[in-house]
Amino acid sequence: DAKTTQPPSMDCAEGRAANLPCNHSTISGNEYVYWYRQIHSQGPQYIIHGLKNNETNEMASLIITEDRKSSTLILPHATLRDTAVYYCIVRPMNTGNQFYFGTGTSLTVIP
Amino acid sequence: DVKVTQSSRYLVKRTGEKVFLECVQDMDHENMFWYRQDPGLGLRLIYFSYDVKMKEKGDIPEGYSVSREKKERFSLILESASTNQTSMYLCASSPESIGVREQYFGPGTRLTVT
Repeated sequence: DAKTTQPPSMDCAEGRAANLPCNHSTISGNEYVYWYRQIHSQGPQYIIHGLKNNETNEMASLIITEDRKSSTLILPHATLRDTAVYYCIVRPMNTGNQFYFGTGTSLTVIP
Repeated sequence: DVKVTQSSRYLVKRTGEKVFLECVQDMDHENMFWYRQDPGLGLRLIYFSYDVKMKEKGDIPEGYSVSREKKERFSLILESASTNQTSMYLCASSPESIGVREQYFGPGTRLTVT
């Protein structure tokens, strides 16, 4: 599986957009980019995933660069409840359902 | 909504005890997973199962076993608990054996072995 690199921590002001980067320079053509988050003392929660096109849902937007070597998760209007660890995961399409979580980015939303 | 429940949120056991961690999902998912989470190491896969009575080793199966007698239930067993198994244990489930599907996680069980 392609490895991912994320900054260990970030701060964001409440109400502003939070932009969380992820580098996955060794990604291969059949690998998707997934984002999960984990709020303290809870299990991880799925946010969004994509292959090469940008994606948006009710929680966030995912921007994948044209060469697919990096991506950015955007929380458009961060709230205090978005304080969590965010995991970027790159996963092949057809290798069962294993997800390899790294150590993620700890996002703190500041009032 | 998918619901994944774990039998305990907090558990304290003594070294050498046999420990059972139970996980139940209510969405008829084929796949179920057990992870442990430790500071600085992220989530690591212990075992997973893609069908009843089927199991596959993950990255760190040593010291653990699993049981899947019914589709909705996946148990993690520590045959003889040791202090290095103190950790947060997370169960997850997902539909389908292949394809692009997200996993749904339970709330976790924080196990302390003294």
